[in-house]
Amino acid sequence: AQSVTQLGSHVSVSEGALVLLRCNYSSSVPPYLFWYVQYPNQGLQLLLKYTSAATLVKGINGFEAEFKKSETSFHLTKPSAHMSDAAEYFCAVRSREMDSNYQLIWGAGTKLIIKP
Amino acid sequence: ETGVTQTPRHLVMGMTNKKSLKCEQHLGHNAMYWYKQSAKKPLELMFVYNFKEQTENNSVPSRFSPECPNSSHLFLHLHTLQPEDSALYLCASSPGGGGKGSNEQFFGPGTRLTVL
Repeated sequence: AQSVTQLGSHVSVSEGALVLLRCNYSSSVPPYLFWYVQYPNQGLQLLLKYTSAATLVKGINGFEAEFKKSETSFHLTKPSAHMSDAAEYFCAVRSREMDSNYQLIWGAGTKLIIKP
Repeated sequence: ETGVTQTPRHLVMGMTNKKSLKCEQHLGHNAMYWYKQSAKKPLELMFVYNFKEQTENNSVPSRFSPECPNSSHLFLHLHTLQPEDSALYLCASSPGGGGKGSNEQFFGPGTRLTVL
């Protein structure tokens, strides 16, 4: 069965520093991969997605993620953190093997804390 | 209205009350989802509908009863809930239809439910 692991339930970085949020998946076939962001008391918003067109995916708010098949990873990065980036970030996957199964498998989430 | 809307945004109810949550999507999607998000727990998928037909019920207690009258509307009827049912209930939609593609989900802002 597919699974998603987000390393670190909380990540703290200083404003202006590099943001790195880790996501690893388990799947024999590279799946569709997503990063979502959730601000306090709001729903989830799609940041970016990997569909196989390019391994480096650019998203909204300056975030990007790189798909690495050899490492089964899809880590999220941003060169310079801003206070407004404080939120919870979720990684999710959808299998390509079962086209009729359109459900997402979710990671547990990583809360990003920005220090002034 | 655009995207996915949910009403009410906040709901407080007693254990003997009956209430309903409403979700509406304006994206022309075919699939709709109910999720439960509790503090310190991963996102839990509750129900999935595709073309108004329920395709997934993840062992949800019968005190939660979904209804999908058409592809744009989804309801969650609540009856004799327990305090542990207090959570953020999120609705989402996706293109669905069982076809190929990434089928990313778009979320509403959620209903914060408190059961007293």
